[in-house]
Amino acid sequence: SQTIHQWPATLVQPVGSPLSLECTVEGTSNPNLYWYRQAAGRGLQLLFYSVGIGQISSEVPQNLSASRPQDRQFILSSKKLLLSDSGFYLCAWSGGDLLYEQYFGPGTRLTVT
Amino acid sequence: GENVEQHPSTLSVQEGDSAVIKCTYSDSASNYFPWYKQELGKRPQLIIDIRSNVGEKKDQRIAVTLNKTAKHFSLHITETQPEDSAVYFCAASTPRGGGNKLTFGTGTQLKVEL
Repeated sequence: SQTIHQWPATLVQPVGSPLSLECTVEGTSNPNLYWYRQAAGRGLQLLFYSVGIGQISSEVPQNLSASRPQDRQFILSSKKLLLSDSGFYLCAWSGGDLLYEQYFGPGTRLTVT
Repeated sequence: GENVEQHPSTLSVQEGDSAVIKCTYSDSASNYFPWYKQELGKRPQLIIDIRSNVGEKKDQRIAVTLNKTAKHFSLHITETQPEDSAVYFCAASTPRGGGNKLTFGTGTQLKVEL
């Protein structure tokens, strides 16, 4: 069965510091991968999605970037965090026989101070 | 782009009653409509979904209906229980660039009272 991991689970970072969040998927090959952000008490906003290694589509212009160095690895980065980057970051995957369904990882709760 | 509206934002029902959450979408190309349940501090969990070639789908106490003409879909929960209390999100999926882009509604906080 497929499993999706995210780390770290929680993170507190000062304004202006860099960020790297990692997501990995097990049990499937060539998944579609997604990064979402959820602000406190709000809905989910799609940030990036990837249909293959090195293929990244950005949905929202901001100071975040994403990379996919390996088939089942998706990384969210920032060079300098802003207060507004605080939120719950969720990675999701779809693919194979589950082309439409998206399944979420456990998330990273980021607080920028 | 796609726009999904969800109502109500909060819903309180008595245990055993039914709950209905409604969503509308704007893009006629959207072809897949999932519903997610999110408990406090947890990840969203896919609970039921429907594709555009189906009008209704049921899974035990949960059902979803889709009206493509009106661009409207709804979640129905019967015989509600306290563990149904959570935030529910609808979404619409638009095929795009080899993947499918989900646009989410703003969520409904469901509270099932004893």
